[in-house]
Amino acid sequence: TQLLEQSPQFLSIQEGENLTVYCNSSSVFSSLQWYRQEPGEGPVLLVTVVTGGEVKKLKRLTFQFGDARKDSSLHITAAQPGDTGLYLCAGAYAGNMLTFGGGTRLMVKP
Amino acid sequence: DTAVSQTPKYLVTQMGNDKSIKCEQNLGHDTMYWYKQDSKKFLKIMFSYNNKELIINETVPNRFSPKSPDKAHLNLHINSLELGDSAVYFCASSQVSWGFRHFGDGTRLSIL
Repeated sequence: TQLLEQSPQFLSIQEGENLTVYCNSSSVFSSLQWYRQEPGEGPVLLVTVVTGGEVKKLKRLTFQFGDARKDSSLHITAAQPGDTGLYLCAGAYAGNMLTFGGGTRLMVKP
Repeated sequence: DTAVSQTPKYLVTQMGNDKSIKCEQNLGHDTMYWYKQDSKKFLKIMFSYNNKELIINETVPNRFSPKSPDKAHLNLHINSLELGDSAVYFCASSQVSWGFRHFGDGTRLSIL
C-alpha cells in the first residue's frame, strides 16, 4: 500500500511569516498534485509536478518536486489570511489511481 | 457553470434511514469518484467509475451502492445509515485515473 505522509498536520502562523509543508513517500511518484480546500468546499487543484527536481511558482507559492520523485514541498512566502485552508498532496504511482496525503491544516492569523 | 455539482449540500437524518446523494459533471470526463472525508480531514476513495463501469470498490460496507446511469452522473445510495457514516462525501471527476480531480462542494451527512 502506497502511503503519502504530510507534515506538519497543523500549522498556525501570523500574517507575513513564511512556511513550508512537506509530502513524503517511500515510493516513486509518476506525478504529484497539490490541492487547497477551503471550509465548505471541495479541494481545488493548485499545481501538478511531473519531472524530478521541478520547481513551479504560483504567486507566493513555490512547489518543488524531489529529484527522486519521492517527495514534494510547498513553500508559502509572506502568508496571508486568505491562504488559510487544508493543503492536500496527491501522488500518482505508475499510472494508477491517486493517493491523497493526510493534509496540512494551515491557519494564518491577521 | 458548475463543473461537478452534487446535491444535497447538507443531509441530516436518523440512524437506520436510507438516503441518496446525486452527482453530475459537465466536463465530459469518463471517470467519476466518490470520496469520504472524515472529521480528521482524511480524504479516502470509496468508488471509481469509468464510463459507467465500476473500476474501484474500496473496503466500503455493502450498504453503500453507487449507480451510474450515464458517464455524466454518479449517484450514491446508502442503506441503513449508521452513526459512523457521518462525514463529508465528495464527488469528483477526472479525464484519466491518475489525472487531477475536479471535486464537487461536498455533502455533509450527519446521522442523529
